[in-house]
Amino acid sequence: EPEVTQTPSHQVTQMGQEVILRCVPISNHLYFYWYRQILGQKVEFLVSFYNNEISEKSEIFDDQFSVERPDGSNFTLKIRSTKLEDSAMYFCASSVETDTQYFGPGTRLTVL
Amino acid sequence: EDQVTQSPEALRLQEGESSSLNCSYTVSGLRGLFWYRQDPGKGPEFLFTLYSAGEEKEKERLKATLTKKESFLHITAPKPEDSATYLCAVQARDTGNQFYFGTGTSLTVIP
Repeated sequence: EPEVTQTPSHQVTQMGQEVILRCVPISNHLYFYWYRQILGQKVEFLVSFYNNEISEKSEIFDDQFSVERPDGSNFTLKIRSTKLEDSAMYFCASSVETDTQYFGPGTRLTVL
Repeated sequence: EDQVTQSPEALRLQEGESSSLNCSYTVSGLRGLFWYRQDPGKGPEFLFTLYSAGEEKEKERLKATLTKKESFLHITAPKPEDSATYLCAVQARDTGNQFYFGTGTSLTVIP
């Protein structure tokens, strides 16, 4: 069964450094998303991406964040200058249409 | 602001003891309600999508139902492997494709 994959599974970085989180959505899906989950809290929406552009973003998704689909398979989330409060699990999701979203296993980001 | 509330926060059941989890929502026009299972340190695993009041979906020991204000996830004769956090998410008509998640119900099934 097709799955969303994410790399790395765990990323440790120093405050102020740039990180890129990578995702490979399910191959026939057209809509892509990033969510985050701070430890012990709810899953929160960051951004959605369709047709090579951002379609929605939350207040969390400020100028420090960017997304890109550099080729036909990868979908990336970049955080330019990480802060301590960026430490969280980051989930990529994809969907065929604008309904059921399938989530990847997540990348645990630890900012020191 | 749209709200999704799940109860109880935590539930401990004996193996075979059936129960229900609740997800109440207040959105201005529901497009869909989604149930996921999340194991520790893992991503949400899709279970069900419900679109309209009265709809029901079933999968093995799980059954999801939807009314105009809430959804229930019924677990019949649970097994220890059903232990996980169950997440509810809603999608609203006027807020695009994003999902609003509840905080989840942590289910523990004791052998």
